[in-house]
Amino acid sequence: GAGVSQSPRYKVTKRGQDVALRCDPISGHVSLYWYRQALGQGPEFLTYFNYEAQQDKSGLPNDRFSAERPEGSISTLTIQRTEQRDSAMYRCASSSRDTQYFGPGTRLTVL
Amino acid sequence: SQELEQSPQSLIVQEGKNLTINCTSSKTLYGLYWYKQKYGEGLIFLMMLQKGGEEKSHEKITAKLDEKKQQSSLHITASQPSHAGIYLCGADEANFGNEKLTFGTGTRLTIIP
Repeated sequence: GAGVSQSPRYKVTKRGQDVALRCDPISGHVSLYWYRQALGQGPEFLTYFNYEAQQDKSGLPNDRFSAERPEGSISTLTIQRTEQRDSAMYRCASSSRDTQYFGPGTRLTVL
Repeated sequence: SQELEQSPQSLIVQEGKNLTINCTSSKTLYGLYWYKQKYGEGLIFLMMLQKGGEEKSHEKITAKLDEKKQQSSLHITASQPSHAGIYLCGADEANFGNEKLTFGTGTRLTIIP
């Protein structure tokens, strides 16, 4: 596609529910990144992939968070047993060389 | 880990005036990225700087990276309403690129008529 797309754009869920956030990168981009952005802050790194391999997951807050990119294209970030503190904007980016291009983000609200 | 400090945190500028936003790092910057964020949209890539003393321009926006590669500035000439938004600097922590970025907290720019 023309740019990075993310779905859903908005997600409201109840505490304790699982959520899956999807990222569709720019076609042909090798690397895919997940970030989380709290209000008034810059994005914080969560994890990234080269092709289907997860290269770094050091930013995932705890084991409720996981990500996959099974075919080296679309990626899913899953949050299990959501908590109110998980509420944030979740941003995905993809890159082919030096520059990361970001999607519009998914705003997650946990009630 | 690398920390990026942006100043000012917010800026209100009259349309037509010039302005500068700064980004300072606690460590050497191997790659410094400037993005612009508008409400409801993703981060829009503006420019990337890698070499000490490097300067790049796009339309009325100029970004510079100092020789020591620890500070970058973003300068907007003759500001317009379309320049309003949040400007974020991000740094590549690794020396070979294409790695995770660390971001500053952003500078909110408001343009008044």
